[in-house]
Amino acid sequence: DAGVIQSPRHEVTEMGQEVTLRCKPISGHNSLFWYRQTMMRGLELLIYFNNNVPIDDSGMPEDRFSAKMPNASFSTLKIQPSEPRDSAVYFCASSLDPREIEYFGPGTRLTVT
Amino acid sequence: GDSVTQMEGPVTLSEEAFLTINCTYTATGYPSLFWYVQYPGEGLQLLLKATKADDKGSNKGFEATYRKETTSFHLEKGSVQVSDSAVYFCALNRGSNYQLIWGAGTKLIIKP
Repeated sequence: DAGVIQSPRHEVTEMGQEVTLRCKPISGHNSLFWYRQTMMRGLELLIYFNNNVPIDDSGMPEDRFSAKMPNASFSTLKIQPSEPRDSAVYFCASSLDPREIEYFGPGTRLTVT
Repeated sequence: GDSVTQMEGPVTLSEEAFLTINCTYTATGYPSLFWYVQYPGEGLQLLLKATKADDKGSNKGFEATYRKETTSFHLEKGSVQVSDSAVYFCALNRGSNYQLIWGAGTKLIIKP
């Protein structure tokens, strides 16, 4: 298996633009997580899906952030409009057991200028 | 609330040195404990875990023992290599759900 796949790996955009991050989880994993990593706040859970259904989105910072999982093999995280404070590395992770994540994707480094 | 405290980095060692990265936790009940490793430019990988007191997790020469009496889960390796240079995260899960509580991470630098 290729592991968790994320795209793009790097994204540079201007404030106010829409950003869409993509994730393909490991086949057969029914739990999917989006995390954000910054120097100031470390790792933050943004949203957790189980069987394609959002279970907990309490970590989504504000209404500018939205996430979808239309099927078991694809998820998106959208920021609209983006702001400089959204600059971070965004990780997607998937697992069989939601209590234990084995692998994260390589991350998308987002820079909003 | 639950929390994880790791030693601040960076930790700089010479190749073949002995490594200890301290991790202590605060949690009710009997959490599961994890160490993750993040190599430069990559996502996190689960390195090892322990699910009950006195369990020892081990992988790739790294070990950590779940010490409930001292609420600790220190990461050790007997002889580090340059390829071990990475950021190491300690984390806990109370076992009842998906929430991982993360430490701040410790950057390890191994010099040849």
